Amino acid sequence: TQLLEQSPQFLSIQEGENLTVYCNSSSVFSSLQWYRQEPGEGPVLLVTVVTGGEVKKLKRLTFQFGDARKDSSLHITAAQPGDTGLYLCAGRYNTDKLIFGTGTRLQVFP
Amino acid sequence: DTGVSQDPRHKITKRGQNVTFRCDPISEHNRLYWYRQTLGQGPEFLTYFQNEAQLEKSRLLSDRFSAERPKGSFSTLEIQRTEQGDSAMYLCASRGQGLDSYEQYFGPGTRLTVT
Repeated sequence: TQLLEQSPQFLSIQEGENLTVYCNSSSVFSSLQWYRQEPGEGPVLLVTVVTGGEVKKLKRLTFQFGDARKDSSLHITAAQPGDTGLYLCAGRYNTDKLIFGTGTRLQVFP
Repeated sequence: DTGVSQDPRHKITKRGQNVTFRCDPISEHNRLYWYRQTLGQGPEFLTYFQNEAQLEKSRLLSDRFSAERPKGSFSTLEIQRTEQGDSAMYLCASRGQGLDSYEQYFGPGTRLTVT
């Protein structure tokens, strides 16, 4: 059974701070996606990474995919209250379904 | 393109009743997925379709659960004889058919409460 571990589970920070969220597995991903979810809504896709070592940027968000394709990180620079939400990583292994991590709940205070 | 839509958004039912949820995928997306998310957890895979064929089912999908996608467009998820443990957010996602198309796009979900 593939397991996706996310850390930290909870993060409370002040506006303007930087943060990093980690996603780790013992298995190799064929692709990995990061989602952000608001309460009562479905996950919204932020990015997909496919190639080992890949780095993608989305405004203040930087996503890295590990060289061995077993881990990923999400770094947010100068966090804003609008970044508040549940961040989920989800990996595809050798089937079409996504395996989700337990999520990182981020709260950014003004 | 309109996004994935789900109906209803909220459903409250009494234990033992049957419920049915509907998902309309992004048009021309041939793959459709159902996931379940309980409070404080990430979504868990239930089942998926390619066109009208149901290709994979999770062990989470007990005999009381059935999903259909009869014409390869919208899908329904039915839960018979609901139990309190079925209370969760039921999420639908769809994906295009290109080989490089990895992304699954999610709908807003149906929140089920079984009393």
